[in-house]
Amino acid sequence: KAGVTQTPRYLIKTRGQQVTLSCSPISGHRSVSWYQQTPGQGLQFLFEYFSETQRNKGNFPGRFSGRQFSNSRSEMNVSTLELGDSALYLCASSLGVVSTEAFFGQGTRLTVV
Amino acid sequence: AQKVTQAQTEISVVEKEDVTLDCVYETRDTTYYLFWYKQPPSGELVFLIRRNSFDEQNEISGRYSWNFQKSTSSFNFTITASQVVDSAVYFCALSERNTGNQFYFGTGTSLTVIP
Repeated sequence: KAGVTQTPRYLIKTRGQQVTLSCSPISGHRSVSWYQQTPGQGLQFLFEYFSETQRNKGNFPGRFSGRQFSNSRSEMNVSTLELGDSALYLCASSLGVVSTEAFFGQGTRLTVV
Repeated sequence: AQKVTQAQTEISVVEKEDVTLDCVYETRDTTYYLFWYKQPPSGELVFLIRRNSFDEQNEISGRYSWNFQKSTSSFNFTITASQVVDSAVYFCALSERNTGNQFYFGTGTSLTVIP
């Protein structure tokens, strides 16, 4: 059974640009959550999608957005990149809607220069 | 407010020693879930265990064991006879019934097992 796939693995962008990250969950999983991991702030929840609807959103500015497609694949977009957006972005795949086990991808390492 | 505290930032042990990683949580919800994840250098978070708030039974899985105590709001993780492959960052996390799959993570404990 394939795991959670995140693409790309590494990305370098310039301040002011925008970026789109992709996540393909485990087959059959309908919930996808996104997290930002930085040395200073640790792991912080960005948002969760279930059946193409955003269910929860963390405390991040509107520059961070996401969506989920009918095949459960999800994308997150960050516009007007800032240096502080440099982080490891992790995607989690879950089967159900209530606190089931979440399986994570290897993440996308974003560097903003 | 929800909060997960892992007071131990870094721990070093010699191979074959036992080690316990501490986790203390705060929540107002009566139905909640606790998790432990392992993050090796590759970056992926590896699921280890999930417990719900109504199940205080301790659990053992091979060299791993977990002690859940609601009275002290703790969910500690013990590795018995540690091995070099156990070296990683370990995260404790909390989720609540009302917020679905939103996890609140602790700051992690970096474990180094010295051969």
